[in-house]
Amino acid sequence: GAGVSQSPRYKVAKRGQDVALRCDPISGHVSLFWYQQALGQGPEFLTYFQNEAQLDKSGLPSDRFFAERPEGSVSTLKIQRTQQEDSAVYLCASSLEPGGRGELFFGEGSRLTVL
Amino acid sequence: AQKITQTQPGMFVQEKEAVTLDCTYDTSDQSYGLFWYKQPSSGEMIFLIYQGSYDEQNATEGRYSLNFQKARKSANLVISASQLGDSAMYFCAMRERGSNYKLTFGKGTLLTVNP
Repeated sequence: GAGVSQSPRYKVAKRGQDVALRCDPISGHVSLFWYQQALGQGPEFLTYFQNEAQLDKSGLPSDRFFAERPEGSVSTLKIQRTQQEDSAVYLCASSLEPGGRGELFFGEGSRLTVL
Repeated sequence: AQKITQTQPGMFVQEKEAVTLDCTYDTSDQSYGLFWYKQPSSGEMIFLIYQGSYDEQNATEGRYSLNFQKARKSANLVISASQLGDSAMYFCAMRERGSNYKLTFGKGTLLTVNP
């Protein structure tokens, strides 16, 4: 597809379950970001990849959160032992180049609900 | 301190009128970029407009313009000739030079365009 694709769009998990959220960025985009958006809030940065290298993971809230982009294209955000406070929309964004006027293209997000 | 402050949780405007959405920012960097994104109910973040800190002229993109007042650290979005389809959440965001290219978002303003 032409845009950033995320799956699943909706995920309901029981507390303690592990979840995996997938992001398929625009082909050729070097930079990939994950953001977390709680209800009624702006997106909060989680982590950043430049190609396959994870250059910044300062926003990951705990060691239960793990992200990878092994071949520099598709990325997966994994949340282990989910908690209710993990309920949010997880947004993936990509850009052709880092910094400058580089526009971020966002996916529609994966809405996670933890019961 | 908040890096991006959007003081208007909600705004109403009549169709065909202009509206200004406020954004102030806080940074000690000399080089930074300011962005506005629109988020309709579908959830996708749509890029609207960009202003670089060294840009001498205010950015414009169609019906969108950015009123950039550097000394006051404000970057207000002006939407002219509002349309019903403009009803959405609007987020102001900043990318600082030393931030590893990530965007920091405000809490957003919900704009409702009335017919």
